[in-house]
Amino acid sequence: GENVEQHPSTLSVQEGDSAVIKCTYSDSASNYFPWYKQELGKRPQLIIDIRSNVGEKKDQRIAVTLNKTAKHFSLHITETQPEDSAVYFCAASGGSYIPTFGRGTSLIVHP
Amino acid sequence: GAGVSQTPSNKVTEKGKYVELRCDPISGHTALYWYRQSLGQGPEFLIYFQGTGAADDSGLPNDRFFAVRPEGSVSTLKIQRTERGDSAVYLCASSEGVGDHYGYTFGSGTRLTVV
Repeated sequence: GENVEQHPSTLSVQEGDSAVIKCTYSDSASNYFPWYKQELGKRPQLIIDIRSNVGEKKDQRIAVTLNKTAKHFSLHITETQPEDSAVYFCAASGGSYIPTFGRGTSLIVHP
Repeated sequence: GAGVSQTPSNKVTEKGKYVELRCDPISGHTALYWYRQSLGQGPEFLIYFQGTGAADDSGLPNDRFFAVRPEGSVSTLKIQRTERGDSAVYLCASSEGVGDHYGYTFGSGTRLTVV
């Protein structure tokens, strides 16, 4: 089955800095890679996703890159704000149509 | 409905008791997923339905766990003889279909505490 590794587990940045979270996956058949933001006590919410036919996707301050050869994908947040503080999860799905999640990255943005 | 609805939001039960957790997916979503999330961990897959049938139940930890979706809409996750290790947030998600071009929408979860 799919195995998704996510790093770092905790990321602390100053407001205005950039934050990068990286994930690797094992199943070469995976072709859909969503990212979720989960605030304390709330549901995971989809913030951006990328499919295997593109290498990069951007939505305002958030961007995701995908390297299928290396089987890794990353989330980039620029100009971070305190409200970006949350736990971020990457996921991969495709071959089995079951999203497999990483263990999460706790992002802390200090004002 | 407008979103994925899960009830109850919180459930405290005694060890050994039986519990049922309900998920009402977005109207028209044919795929429904159950996940379990322990503190500080990512969601862990349990089972998913395509329509009324369980397409993959490989994530269910043991035979105390069972889930149904008799009419292809609402699903119920059933846990027998609960144990303290079952304590977690149980998340449900639904999507319009199964495949790489469908996104998943999560419910708010049911926080189960076994005492």
